[in-house]
Amino acid sequence: QAVLTQPPSASGAPGQTITISCSGATSNIGSNSLSWYQLRPGAAPKLLIYNNHERPSGVSDRFSASKSGTSASLAVSGLRSGDEADYYCASWDDRLRGPVFGAGTTVTVV
Amino acid sequence: QVTLRESGPALVKPTQTLTLTCTFSGFSLNTNGVCMSWVRRTPGKALEWLARVDWDGAKYYNNSLKTRLTISKDTSKNEVVLRMTNMGPADRGTYFCARSSKYGFPLDFWGPGTLVAVSS
Repeated sequence: QAVLTQPPSASGAPGQTITISCSGATSNIGSNSLSWYQLRPGAAPKLLIYNNHERPSGVSDRFSASKSGTSASLAVSGLRSGDEADYYCASWDDRLRGPVFGAGTTVTVV
Repeated sequence: QVTLRESGPALVKPTQTLTLTCTFSGFSLNTNGVCMSWVRRTPGKALEWLARVDWDGAKYYNNSLKTRLTISKDTSKNEVVLRMTNMGPADRGTYFCARSSKYGFPLDFWGPGTLVAVSS
């Protein structure tokens, strides 16, 4: 059972913007930075966002994120078929003393 | 270029011990702040952090699995090994190794994962 809460699915047409939410608690999102990961079948998970809204070098600026209190969100703009994947939020948890994850959101481009 | 790759058995029997190896390149686990973690993805898609070993040898475990896990490193071989005892059906899934260059979080590079089934 995931510690952070995400919607199971999200979808949009090519070119549209979708938003994925992530909610947690004061021991994780409320006190620590959030990161987002993209998982495609057969590929290594990819870090998309760290420190709540920072993008690693090489990650498209179509991915953006924000955090407020114990909630966060990831936006994917200019949706493409290549964006179809599972997306996970993650945060450090002070109570569990380790990273905790959401259950993942499957993004479909319709 | 940072690369990580997991290896180990695709199938283990119930009660057996699973041993997974993560072989990495492009960085050193002797570098201050570098940590290596194991994370698994269960069939229900959830990700679960399992264990971590740091550049200075410190080790950390998921409390709910602590009694079954052992993590170790061999910096001369650029390898990190995870052992999980008493495997059961609930342990099937994809196991990933991942690096953090900043004291445990975020996990900035991952391997592609290795799928483990548990069956007699």
